[in-house]
Parts: sequence; structure tokens; C-alpha cells
Amino acid sequence: NAGVTQTPKFRILKIGQSMTLQCTQDMNHNYMYWYRQDPGMGLKLIYYSVGAGITDKGEVPNGYNVSRSTTEDFPLRLELAAPSQTSVYFCASSYTGADTQYFGPGTRLTVL
Amino acid sequence: AQTVTQSQPEMSVQEAETVTLSCTYDTSESNYYLFWYKQPPSRQMILVIRQEAYKQQNATENRFSVNFQKAAKSFSLKISDSQLGDTAMYFCAFMSTGNQFYFGTGTSLTVIP
Repeated sequence: NAGVTQTPKFRILKIGQSMTLQCTQDMNHNYMYWYRQDPGMGLKLIYYSVGAGITDKGEVPNGYNVSRSTTEDFPLRLELAAPSQTSVYFCASSYTGADTQYFGPGTRLTVL
Repeated sequence: AQTVTQSQPEMSVQEAETVTLSCTYDTSESNYYLFWYKQPPSRQMILVIRQEAYKQQNATENRFSVNFQKAAKSFSLKISDSQLGDTAMYFCAFMSTGNQFYFGTGTSLTVIP
């Protein structure tokens, strides 16, 4: 039981490039989340999903896109990367919205 | 939008002593959930404790307990018998009825041997 896995662990992008951050959970959780954590700050919700085929915006969705075609996977797409997207990205999952969220180890992204 | 405020950026406590971390929040909702998460140097986020707003009884989990004051919109975390492994960033979080999560900026806790 791997829990929540994220790839890659680190990535450096140039301004204007695109990439997809992968997130997979093996706990059959319905809810999945993407957060970003800027230095010295708390987590901010980017997007979340309450089940396959259903996604919704969080507090800071601009510049990102998501899809949820399966229960297990919830990839986050960055289009036209900007320096403001330099951050650590966390994926999380939970059985319901009020349950414990299980977090992945994070992806440290730098945009230069 | 909801806001979560943690007014103590850093705190320290002697091993085996008790420490209280503060959290206040702003919302117009009547039913919501509150959480404390711990982030050790490994960066892995771990749930410490959870409180449902409609429950008046304060949640407890072993050495961790909360003081939930709904009218004052306050949700403090008390750690008893502090251990070295408690050294971490602690984040207070609010979940709205619309599944939106809001985190505070965190309190860095150091347990001194």
C-alpha cells in the first residue's frame, strides 16, 4: 500500500514551458486535492475532485488545469509556466471531504 | 473567502512541558470542520486532530487536544508532555461546506531537550 505518490520529486522549468505533475493514490479514495506551498506560507488549494470525472476550482486555480479520468489518478497540468508558479506542490486524497487527508511527498518546482 | 490566522510564527517548549498553539478563523458558515496538521522536516503532512463545528465537545488524541470556541472562532491546539518528535511546523486548517480548504501560515514548534 503505497498511499499517495507524486512524480517528479524535483523539476526545473523555463518560462513558457509546460508540464504535468502526476499524482496517484491506491486507497480507493473519492476525494483528491492539489495544493501549493510557497516558502513560509501555508498550503493553498488549487483544484480538487470529489470523484472520477468531477473537478472543481480551489482558491488559486489560475495557470493550472486538472482532469480525473480514474479514481486513482489526478494529474495537474501547468501551461506556460511563470516564475510565480515556483513552489512545492502537494497532492492529497481522502475518503470523504471531512476525513483525514493523506498527502504525497511533494514536488519542488522551480521556474526560471 | 474564509481566512485562517496563526499569530505565532515560532514557538519553543521544553521537553515534557505543555504548549498551546493559537488559531483563529473567519467564516459566516455554521457547519464546518477544523484541523491541525503537522509538517516535520521531512515535509510530509500528517493529520494531528480534527474537530467538527457542530460538536461542542473538544477533540482529543492522546497528548493532543483542542480548545474550540465557536463563538470566538478560535481553535487552539494543546500539546502535553512534549516530545522531541513533536518538533515541526503546525498548520491550522478550515474546511467549508463546499469542500474548500484554507490553511493558516503555520507555527514552527521546537521542542528543546
